[in-house]
Amino acid sequence: DAGITQSPRHKVTETGTPVTLRCHQTENHRYMYWYRQDPGHGLRLIHYSYGVKDTDKGEVSDGYSVSRSKTEDFLLTLESATSSQTSVYFCAIFRGRGTDTQYFGPGTRLTVL
Amino acid sequence: AQTVTQSQPEMSVQEAETVTLSCTYDTSESDYYLFWYKQPPSRQMILVIRQEAYKQQNATENRFSVNFQKAAKSFSLKISDSQLGDAAMYFCAYRNMYSGGGADGLTFGKGTHLIIQP
Repeated sequence: DAGITQSPRHKVTETGTPVTLRCHQTENHRYMYWYRQDPGHGLRLIHYSYGVKDTDKGEVSDGYSVSRSKTEDFLLTLESATSSQTSVYFCAIFRGRGTDTQYFGPGTRLTVL
Repeated sequence: AQTVTQSQPEMSVQEAETVTLSCTYDTSESDYYLFWYKQPPSRQMILVIRQEAYKQQNATENRFSVNFQKAAKSFSLKISDSQLGDAAMYFCAYRNMYSGGGADGLTFGKGTHLIIQP
């Protein structure tokens, strides 16, 4: 257990509505990540953060924005959700110091109708 | 950009037998990490094993071991004495050791669905 929670765990929304997913960590890690998982694609990086207010784009960032105003929270926003954004979203933290490994939250299943 | 390929969409093995899952990757870097993650039906991503590219010795974790062939860019996972609880999706993943500002994200393969036959 890497002390990562995601909320909500499930969400159904309609096309065109804004959606915000929250990732919360309790271990004061500097690096946090958002991935999406789709059948046939594995997990793909959306955005990541390397500190408060420091973020960068990943492989599939179009249509997504992120914010990090506190170390413990990393928010993913879909400004205007589309059906192609129906997916499972995972947050991860980077635990360095000898492990150099990413640990994942439980995931959020988002359905855009 | 790095790529990770898992050529076996699905594998099946009898309980107590040994199975090997394949993974190849492409990179121009010399220093990197490789990982295997397990995803059971609960959807949780669980780290199984990790390998540093600069280490020649293959990583092992109990019944799980890897065969790391750096020159061939191959990183297979061997599961010995398969158990029903091993049934899951298995993902191979890659990360650069060094990046401009800090820790890169992971590049994942598409996964292998492992079925354990009782």
